[in-house]
Amino acid sequence: NAGVTQTPKFRVLKTGQSMTLLCAQDMNHEYMYWYRQDPGMGLRLIHYSVGEGTTAKGEVPDGYNVSRLKKQNFLLGLESAAPSQTSVYFCASSYVARVGEQYFGPGTRLTVT
Amino acid sequence: KNEVEQSPQNLTAQEGEFITINCSYSVGISALHWLQQHPGGGIVSLFMLSSGKKKHGRLIATINIQEKHSSLHITASHPRDSAVYICAVSNFGNEKLTFGTGTRLTIIP
Repeated sequence: NAGVTQTPKFRVLKTGQSMTLLCAQDMNHEYMYWYRQDPGMGLRLIHYSVGEGTTAKGEVPDGYNVSRLKKQNFLLGLESAAPSQTSVYFCASSYVARVGEQYFGPGTRLTVT
Repeated sequence: KNEVEQSPQNLTAQEGEFITINCSYSVGISALHWLQQHPGGGIVSLFMLSSGKKKHGRLIATINIQEKHSSLHITASHPRDSAVYICAVSNFGNEKLTFGTGTRLTIIP
């Protein structure tokens, strides 16, 4: 049981490049989330999904897109990376009935130069 | 929008000391959560509580709903307790959490 996994763990992009971050969970959780964590700020929600085929915007969705084609996977895309998107990205998942008990992935450290 | 504030932002203590980290929020909630983020970055849930007190090993979490305040206590602190402790709140019918900015705890041997 791997829990929540994220790939890649580290990435450096040039401004304007695109990339996709993959989150996978093997706990059959309905809900999945993408957060970013920046120094001095709390975790901020980018997008989330309440089930396969559904997505919704969070607090800071601009510049990101997401897809949840399979229940176990939640993809976060950056179409044209900007230096402001330099951050640590965390994926999380939870059961419907226990939203607060989110299981987090190990994080992806992204640097945009 | 619920505002979540934690204090202190940073805390350094000697091994064995009793530690208290505070969290306050602005709007009524359905539950409050404490999470731990270790230096390596991994985040784990410690407690979810909606009233009273919960205990797990040397960690104790309390909440006062009327005062919109929660505390996380660590007894007999140990260097391995060094981490960032994050408070978060959830609301009825809402799939999302609102997070505080975290308290960085350092325990010196």
